[in-house]
Amino acid sequence: DADVTQTPRNRITKTGKRIMLECSQTKGHDRMYWYRQDPGLGLRLIYYSFDVKDINKGEISDGYSVSRQAQAKFSLSLESAIPNQTALYFCATSDWLAGRETQYFGPGTRLLVL
Amino acid sequence: RKEVEQDPGPFNVPEGATVAFNCTYSNSASQSFFWYRQDCRKEPKLLMSVYSSGNEDGRFTAQLNRASQYISLLIRDSKLSDSATYLCVVIVEKSSGDKLTFGTGTRLAVRP
Repeated sequence: DADVTQTPRNRITKTGKRIMLECSQTKGHDRMYWYRQDPGLGLRLIYYSFDVKDINKGEISDGYSVSRQAQAKFSLSLESAIPNQTALYFCATSDWLAGRETQYFGPGTRLLVL
Repeated sequence: RKEVEQDPGPFNVPEGATVAFNCTYSNSASQSFFWYRQDCRKEPKLLMSVYSSGNEDGRFTAQLNRASQYISLLIRDSKLSDSATYLCVVIVEKSSGDKLTFGTGTRLAVRP
């Protein structure tokens, strides 16, 4: 079984709709992240959480919100989806490997906003 | 100037070729560096860390040049299975939490 899972894997929605992307992990990591990936722009950080009570904005948090329901779960919400939020969304956890922070990504969620 | 820059490619090489990618970074306070590999429509996966002294893992060699602020990835004896996008990651350690910055990736296509 995958250590980091995301649901749904693909989603089509309409402008103005609320949508939630969910992420679960079995790695036991405290740190979790949400990124979006767009062609030519690479991975950009939306929100991150270092533990259940800690939520931080990333570089592109506008239009998004998150909830860290438990150590293993980190959800990303689009309160009112707009077409430029069409992207590939990745959840990630991180751990320290040989003294360095290493990220482990979920399989991604492809979101299309019409 | 972008914090982390990579040549997007694509690099088209024949099997068996040696190919090298560079990744430049702008923040001289950057402390940790990685190469990730991302296959088409898949998630990024850690390929290797980059150490100051350079490090090798089989056909892959990673190097860091702090003076010129770039890291490199060398792939020897390219295989068809090496075809992917290679992302560099640069980390600046802060008391408020590390800042990870991803490059946009360099695409490699290895042909028979």
